[in-house]
Amino acid sequence: GAVVSQHPSRVICKSGTSVKIECRSLDFQATTMFWYRQFPKQSLMLMATSNEGSKATYEQGVEKDKFLINHASLTLSTLTVTSAHPEDSSFYICSATSGDTQYFGPGTRLTVL
Amino acid sequence: GENVEQHPSTLSVQEGDSAVIKCTYSDSASNYFPWYKQELGKRPQLIIDIRSNVGEKKDQRIAVTLNKTAKHFSLHITETQPEDSAVYFCAASKLTGGFKTIFGAGTRLFVKA
Repeated sequence: GAVVSQHPSRVICKSGTSVKIECRSLDFQATTMFWYRQFPKQSLMLMATSNEGSKATYEQGVEKDKFLINHASLTLSTLTVTSAHPEDSSFYICSATSGDTQYFGPGTRLTVL
Repeated sequence: GENVEQHPSTLSVQEGDSAVIKCTYSDSASNYFPWYKQELGKRPQLIIDIRSNVGEKKDQRIAVTLNKTAKHFSLHITETQPEDSAVYFCAASKLTGGFKTIFGAGTRLFVKA
């Protein structure tokens, strides 16, 4: 099946710094990718829909100036957590659709000290 | 907004017994209902899905049922095994209009040997 990769898998950063997470569709093109956040023992919460060549669509309550999304090509979307704080520590997962199936990346565990 | 409710939050069964997880959705335009299994620290894995034009689907020990009128759908696992222990998420999505997926809160399934 289709493969979605994420990089890095883990990142630890200091409070106030910015962190970029990449999401790639390896063997298919994705005009739309999704970014989710998952806190421990909780569900996946959709943060935003990343659209190739246009602005991302953010869910209610998600700060677009804090979570910058760029979908520069049909195989790459990036999520930048700006001025990260400890409460941003979470598991971030992207997904992309191929045909009528959604494929998830392996996730990035962000820890902000 | 769109919402998916999932019950129970925790389910403990004896090996060999059946497990049933139930979900309801609010958006009547949803037409695709995937189920995911997530093991600790890993990405969600699609285990089965059902489309709104079908009332039931089975794949070996796993079956899903959908009641469009009542807007609820269920996952049935028969002859459970210890390796079925994981968190299961239901989700509701629309195959058109961007494939935005809303997840249920998850069910932590324990299968006791």
